Amino acid sequence: AQSVTQLDSQVPVFEEAPVELRCNYSSSVSVYLFWYVQYPNQGLQLLLKYLSGSTLVKGINGFEAEFNKSQTSFHLRKPSVHISDTAEYFCAVSETGGYNKLIFGAGTRLAVHP
Amino acid sequence: GAVVSQHPSRVICKSGTSVKIECRSLDFQATTMFWYRQFPKQSLMLMATSNEGSKATYEQGVEKDKFLINHASLTLSTLTVTSAHPEDSSFYICSAGQGTGELFFGEGSRLTVL
Repeated sequence: AQSVTQLDSQVPVFEEAPVELRCNYSSSVSVYLFWYVQYPNQGLQLLLKYLSGSTLVKGINGFEAEFNKSQTSFHLRKPSVHISDTAEYFCAVSETGGYNKLIFGAGTRLAVHP
Repeated sequence: GAVVSQHPSRVICKSGTSVKIECRSLDFQATTMFWYRQFPKQSLMLMATSNEGSKATYEQGVEKDKFLINHASLTLSTLTVTSAHPEDSSFYICSAGQGTGELFFGEGSRLTVL
């Protein structure tokens, strides 16, 4: 079975500052990794995904993440945040393969202040 | 990306009644869909895996007689909350994949039981 740990429940940051949201996973098999964003009262939007290939993954809205197999991590980064990035961010993991369920971390609330 | 649609987006019902939520894959066929539940300010918890033409697989602790799942076609899965009570009030989200490893999420359905 897989599990995901998001180490920070809340991350406050000032506008235009860089940010890193941490995610560690546990699995005995190969995994796919994902980051999703959720705005209040809305569904999930995929930010980026790692399925295979390059360990540095670039996503939408200027976000990127790096898959580190040895440290079982998939931290999300953005060099300069905007007020509009304020939202809940979820890291998720699934077994490799076509139709496997996603297991989510507890989420990190990113609060960008002016 | 592929589109998954949920209906209704919001529903309010009286305690003791049953509520049906639909999840449709609009531009692809989904042999497997997943149902998640999200309490306020919490993460998404997998409830069950919906398999087309067969019984759903429920996660530990989820009452299968309470949350009835029917996956009658390759584009439609339904979740029926039977004899709903206030503690069933939650945000329910479905997802489906195309076999690439990525899951696509519906917009979510907010259930309020009075």
